Amino acid sequence: GAVVSQHPSRVICKSGTSVKIECRSLDFQATTMFWYRQFPKQSLMLMATSNEGSKATYEQGVEKDKFLINHASLTLSTLTVTSAHPEDSSFYICSARDESADTQYFGPGTRLTVL
Amino acid sequence: GQNIDQPTEMTATEGAIVQINCTYQTSGFNGLFWYQQHAGEAPTFLSYNVLDGLEEKGRFSSFLSRSKGYSYLLLKELQMKDSASYLCAVRPTTDSWGKLQFGAGTQVVVTP
Repeated sequence: GAVVSQHPSRVICKSGTSVKIECRSLDFQATTMFWYRQFPKQSLMLMATSNEGSKATYEQGVEKDKFLINHASLTLSTLTVTSAHPEDSSFYICSARDESADTQYFGPGTRLTVL
Repeated sequence: GQNIDQPTEMTATEGAIVQINCTYQTSGFNGLFWYQQHAGEAPTFLSYNVLDGLEEKGRFSSFLSRSKGYSYLLLKELQMKDSASYLCAVRPTTDSWGKLQFGAGTQVVVTP
């Protein structure tokens, strides 16, 4: 299947700082990427849909000013968690839509721990 | 609203067969996906059904009945490495971006 990378894989930061997570589609162009959050032993929760060249669409209950998304090119979307707090500690996963295969492929995830 | 149901946990022995059922009620339908997720890792794509019937891929098969809002994932010749969470996801027609609605996942435990 297609390859999607995420960086960093793991990050520990202090409360109040901002953290940027990158998601890249390595062997296909992705007009649309998705950002999910997953708490332990729970399913994926969609946070937002990221579209290249336009504003992201956020799911209900997700603060757009706290979770900034930028989809600057057809292979890169970034999620910035601003002023992170311990309750933001979670597993953040991106996926990219491969239109030619009509499916989504997931990145390896980023484990964020906010102290 | 959207509703996707699958069992919470299933246990089976190595070499056996396990069938994971998924029922859905969504605003439209444009495909059903199965993903495998090992603990601490991201999901990996297993299968995709958009038409009724069975899709076979090696030891894994997925079945869809759109009229019944039902799918199953069949895992044959179970191996210890198949112990993982299996996620059922539906893509509603109402979403032009291909957004998926995920079930809570079924934890499969394979015992020796």
